Amino acid sequence: EPEVTQTPSHQVTQMGQEVILRCVPISNHLYFYWYRQILGQKVEFLVSFYNNEISEKSEIFDDQFSVERPDGSNFTLKIRSTKLEDSAMYFCASSGGRGGPLHFGNGTRLTVT
Amino acid sequence: KNEVEQSPQNLTAQEGEFITINCSYSVGISALHWLQQHPGGGIVSLFMLSSGKKKHGRLIATINIQEKHSSLHITASHPRDSAVYICAVRSPTGNQFYFGTGTSLTVIP
Repeated sequence: EPEVTQTPSHQVTQMGQEVILRCVPISNHLYFYWYRQILGQKVEFLVSFYNNEISEKSEIFDDQFSVERPDGSNFTLKIRSTKLEDSAMYFCASSGGRGGPLHFGNGTRLTVT
Repeated sequence: KNEVEQSPQNLTAQEGEFITINCSYSVGISALHWLQQHPGGGIVSLFMLSSGKKKHGRLIATINIQEKHSSLHITASHPRDSAVYICAVRSPTGNQFYFGTGTSLTVIP
């Protein structure tokens, strides 16, 4: 069964550094999402992306965040200047249609030191 | 302000018991999702529903749009059902999501 893959599974970075989290959605999916989950807290929506542009973003998704689909397969989340509070598990998801079921990746655990 | 409330927060059951997890929401939605998060952190989508009831194996999900309430039922629970169950609602535009805090289920053999 096709799946969403995320790399790396764990990334450690120093405060102030830029990180890029990578996701390969299911190949025929058109809608892409990033979520995050701070340890011990609930999952939070960050951004949705369709047709090469952001469809919607939450208050969390401020100017230090950006998303890109640089080619036909990857979907990336960039955090420009990481802060300690960016430490979280970041999940990518995709769906075939706007109202379709979500398929999640296994997540990237980001640790900012 | 929590757009999605789940209850209970924690649930321990004996193997074989019938389990119900509840979700209430306060916003307009286009769909409601039930997700399962395993101890390792991975998330699996169990159901997506916008009306009525869906069944998959031992799992049943129902939604009452008028009352803004959904339930997830597990029949004949098994230790492998132990996980966190998360209710999430999709906005009417389909592009925004709100998540509950999850229900941590432990099924004891």
